[in-house]
Amino acid sequence: GIQVEQSPPDLILQEGANSTLRCNFSDSVNNLQWFHQNPWGQLINLFYIPSGTKQNGRLSATTVATERYSLLYISSSQTTDSGVYFCAVERTSGGSNYKLTFGKGTLLTVNP
Amino acid sequence: GAVVSQHPSWVICKSGTSVKIECRSLDFQATTMFWYRQFPKQSLMLMATSNEGSKATYEQGVEKDKFLINHASLTLSTLTVTSAHPEDSSFYICSAAPSQYFGPGTRLTVL
Repeated sequence: GIQVEQSPPDLILQEGANSTLRCNFSDSVNNLQWFHQNPWGQLINLFYIPSGTKQNGRLSATTVATERYSLLYISSSQTTDSGVYFCAVERTSGGSNYKLTFGKGTLLTVNP
Repeated sequence: GAVVSQHPSWVICKSGTSVKIECRSLDFQATTMFWYRQFPKQSLMLMATSNEGSKATYEQGVEKDKFLINHASLTLSTLTVTSAHPEDSSFYICSAAPSQYFGPGTRLTVL
């Protein structure tokens, strides 16, 4: 199956700092999503971004589908940004639409 | 916006008992729902795809007789962990296609 690798596995920042999280995937995909999992386990969809660039406030994401990677940018980080960031891809195969394969995540800790 | 709920949010049970977890789509119909399992400090692993009105599709290595899935309506899928053992303790999360909204998860602890 498709492989999804995220880096770095852990990241510690001071409040106000910027960061870039990376997601590499091993095959072409129909969909790529970035999620934030808060300390209570809730997954929040940040971006649906199979290609191109999107921005939402302090967060932005870029996916270069031809080179099989995606980047998540967090600017002016806040303590509430702490949590695990997951990249997940969907690859339609034999009718398995919408099935997501997750990377191992990046654990982000933002200190005050 | 679309919301997916799960019940219960947490459950503690004795080894050998069965536990049922519900996943509901609150304001949309979901012909397909997904069940994931997440062990501490690990990623989400897809267990099975739940299809309304038909049998679930299980991922390789997931015992279908142990993890019973029922998707009897367009807004409800249930996962029953039968004869639970301590190694089944985990965080179980559902999602609903096509929105890919995730439920808040159910933390299962088997004593």
